[in-house]
Amino acid sequence: AQKITQTQPGMFVQEKEAVTLDCTYDTSDQSYGLFWYKQPSSGEMIFLIYQGSYDEQNATEGRYSLNFQKARKSANLVISASQLGDSAMYFCAMRGTGNQFYFGTGTSLTVIP
Amino acid sequence: GAVVSQHPSWVICKSGTSVKIECRSLDFQATTMFWYRQFPKQSLMLMATSNEGSKATYEQGVEKDKFLINHASLTLSTLTVTSAHPEDSSFYICSARETRVQPQHFGDGTRLSIL
Repeated sequence: AQKITQTQPGMFVQEKEAVTLDCTYDTSDQSYGLFWYKQPSSGEMIFLIYQGSYDEQNATEGRYSLNFQKARKSANLVISASQLGDSAMYFCAMRGTGNQFYFGTGTSLTVIP
Repeated sequence: GAVVSQHPSWVICKSGTSVKIECRSLDFQATTMFWYRQFPKQSLMLMATSNEGSKATYEQGVEKDKFLINHASLTLSTLTVTSAHPEDSSFYICSARETRVQPQHFGDGTRLSIL
């Protein structure tokens, strides 16, 4: 069975500081993809970053980077230079070899001015 | 970038009525669309997966006759909540992707309130 675990229900970070949101996954698939989405209070889901299981380099997208440790089955999201607009729910998700997407329970990030 | 439009964004209706929610991919062809339900402060719960031109695949525990999904074209999928009741009140959000290896792109969601 596929499973995504986000152990931090809530996180606080000072503006301009970096923050790491944890995500671990469990799968027996050899090929899979890992995703991070941001959900502001308005509700829409915003795609942030993607990491393929065979990608050797960690994915980066602007201030977002994914710390992919395959042996540990972790895919932590690092947000550098936090901004007030980063306050939101963040979901880690995994796509296996089937059609399914599996979402974690989310982490609520609050950026403190 | 990939844009998914979901309409309406907010619905309030009486118990017993049916509500249709539309999900459109505006600038790409969505071979697969997904419908999720989200309760307050909780994660997304996948309701069903639909591929264009074929019947939707429903997750366990989701009533097919209650939540009718149609994916008639590569850019449009609809979710109809039939004979809606207060317990159906929730945030419904759709997503679409062009190919299996690409990320899902989400609509803005629909807040459904049944009185």
